[in-house]
Amino acid sequence: QSALTQPASVSGSPGQSITISCTGTTSDVGGYNYVSWYQQYPGKAPKLMIYDVSNRPSGVSNRFSGSKSGNTASLTISGLQAEDEADYYCSSYTSSSTLVFGGGTKLTVL
Amino acid sequence: QLQLQESGPGLVKPSETLSLTCTVTGASISRSTYYWGWIRQPPGKGLEWIGCIYYSGDTYYNPSLKSRVTMSVDTSKNQFSLNLTSVTAADTAVYYCARSGKYWNWFDPWGQGTLVTVSS
Repeated sequence: QSALTQPASVSGSPGQSITISCTGTTSDVGGYNYVSWYQQYPGKAPKLMIYDVSNRPSGVSNRFSGSKSGNTASLTISGLQAEDEADYYCSSYTSSSTLVFGGGTKLTVL
Repeated sequence: QLQLQESGPGLVKPSETLSLTCTVTGASISRSTYYWGWIRQPPGKGLEWIGCIYYSGDTYYNPSLKSRVTMSVDTSKNQFSLNLTSVTAADTAVYYCARSGKYWNWFDPWGQGTLVTVSS
């Protein structure tokens, strides 16, 4: 199984909105609404930010939102804040009953 | 509050078996509809799903690791474990355990992670 494709890096200024894409195939992202997004700070464990494409766990800021179109899922962060600077990973359930992660995207807040 | 904690050797020799245990506190592994998973992250690299296990013992593994991976659960100790055989330097990583949804559609919460280095 191949990793989902994410941009290596994205950047934005405080207050702006950014979007991170996560591209797969019809066998994973496009075939199921089981896409999740994780935020990871250096040296820390990942934190669940979005599950099932667009659902936010309790306690996650509503500045984070998720969506999907075809084989590409997206994470949007609005009102960018310095604390949002981190690595972000997407994941998807696959037709083989396995899970695949994206390669990760480093978000820089300028 | 649900918490997970990984434990095991931090150093394993090449060709030997890596064994880790995840202790779950704050909830019973056997009294839930959740799965329990292992994910690893080589230094400076991305996340890799290793596999998931249900309290009944049903397991699902990453095809690329399937021939070397075994997961088990001990409901009496509220723990689940990972064995990875014939390790090489490529298996050096931070290993995380986490609670999962039925379709690995989410992992939450995660353990703090434990670094396992494969070296002679």
